[in-house]
Amino acid sequence: QITLKESGPTLVKPTQTLTLTCTFSGFSLSTGGVGVGWIRQPPGKALEWLGLIYWDDDKRYSPSLKSRLTITKDTSKNQVVLTMTNMDPVDTATYFCAHLSRTTDFDSWGQGTLVTVSS
Amino acid sequence: NYMLTQPHSVSGSPGKTVSISCTRSSGSIASNYVHWYQQRPGSAPATVIYEDNQRPSGVPARFSGSIDSSSNSASLTISGLKTEDEADYYCQSYHGSSRGVIFGGGTKLTVL
Repeated sequence: QITLKESGPTLVKPTQTLTLTCTFSGFSLSTGGVGVGWIRQPPGKALEWLGLIYWDDDKRYSPSLKSRLTITKDTSKNQVVLTMTNMDPVDTATYFCAHLSRTTDFDSWGQGTLVTVSS
Repeated sequence: NYMLTQPHSVSGSPGKTVSISCTRSSGSIASNYVHWYQQRPGSAPATVIYEDNQRPSGVPARFSGSIDSSSNSASLTISGLKTEDEADYYCQSYHGSSRGVIFGGGTKLTVL
């Protein structure tokens, strides 16, 4: 059974850097074909894909946010870390991490964590 | 890059059938698989259709997916509507060459 859980601050100030950790179990990020993605959802709005990290350490980012995002992995700890710089109130959202399946859908999701950007 | 466009909302009565479209702005809809998610309020999304028309185990046969090359769109069809189907639905495509992901803007399904 695959499980994922996001952790990190619930409140950040404008211009600060957000760091979120996704801790997972039930799969290994060293196994070929595996990926972990980050998706966010502002209150009442649509899902927005942020980025993906693959088993081979390839990283892909949303073109619109690429300059602000970094995704890393710690295979030994079963963790993936998302860093987003220069946070703004429009970045207020629930942030999800999810397992990318071999069929290229996100077949398991974390519960999400609400991050509010406010001074 | 391309966009996936969904209607903002659809509605239907219990027992009826509704379809939600997902139209690709450029390139062929058949070029990359389309997946569909159901998201209930306060919950994470869950796959209801993957690879255009495949149902994960546990998803009722009332849910089906298809693609239509003539309209360059994918569709999620829900038959025998139940009140529990009321939720937001999102389409998603994976771009193999760029290894990136695109989501549609989501559709709110209301079961009247």
